[in-house]
Amino acid sequence: SYVLTQPPSVSVAPGQTARITCGGNNIGSKSVHWYQQKPGQAPVLVVYDDSDRPSGIPERFSGSNSGNTATLTISRVEAGDEADYYCQVWDSSSDRWVFGGGTKLTVL
Amino acid sequence: EVQLVESGGGLIKPGGSLRLSCAASGFTFSSYSLTWVRQAPGQGLEWVASISSSSTYIYYADSVKGRFTISRDNGKNSLNLQMNSLRAEDTAVYYCARDQNWGSRFDYWGQGTLVTVSS
Repeated sequence: SYVLTQPPSVSVAPGQTARITCGGNNIGSKSVHWYQQKPGQAPVLVVYDDSDRPSGIPERFSGSNSGNTATLTISRVEAGDEADYYCQVWDSSSDRWVFGGGTKLTVL
Repeated sequence: EVQLVESGGGLIKPGGSLRLSCAASGFTFSSYSLTWVRQAPGQGLEWVASISSSSTYIYYADSVKGRFTISRDNGKNSLNLQMNSLRAEDTAVYYCARDQNWGSRFDYWGQGTLVTVSS
């Protein structure tokens, strides 16, 4: 089965840039989606199809995907960005949706 | 405004059954695939099951296959998850989510309902 690997945690100072990676075999051939989840809340889609943003999501959130790694980039990080972030893909070979293990973003 | 509201969670003994529901509003229900995703306490997101707009395609995670049944009623704008033979490891918050397109992103989520399997 397809596996997505994320670092458990990423820390960044306010105003800096956070990069959260999502590794998978030839993930560049898939569409990657990213979700933000704050404590006690449901996940929220922040980036879809590798690099598109839903309406209402700040331009500070961006994504890229190539080779075996997809990346969620959060520019000018704010305290309110502190959350868990999950990547997700559709694995067509097994008809399964797959989530990464999640990355806790800490704003120092 | 798109809304998804789950209900039916609670405390259930191992081996028992529970039926979750998700009431949808604010969009053309019959045009979208729907999905259940769960999250065990302190853990990450786990896809559980998905159903296409007309129930033609239904898929389950291996961890629930044969025990859970996903269904929908397009006339009542309702998504259901029948959970049988529940185990302690099924303890989680269960979210329903709308699929923008089959095999695509989950663009709207409900607030979740907690299922606790314990004796």
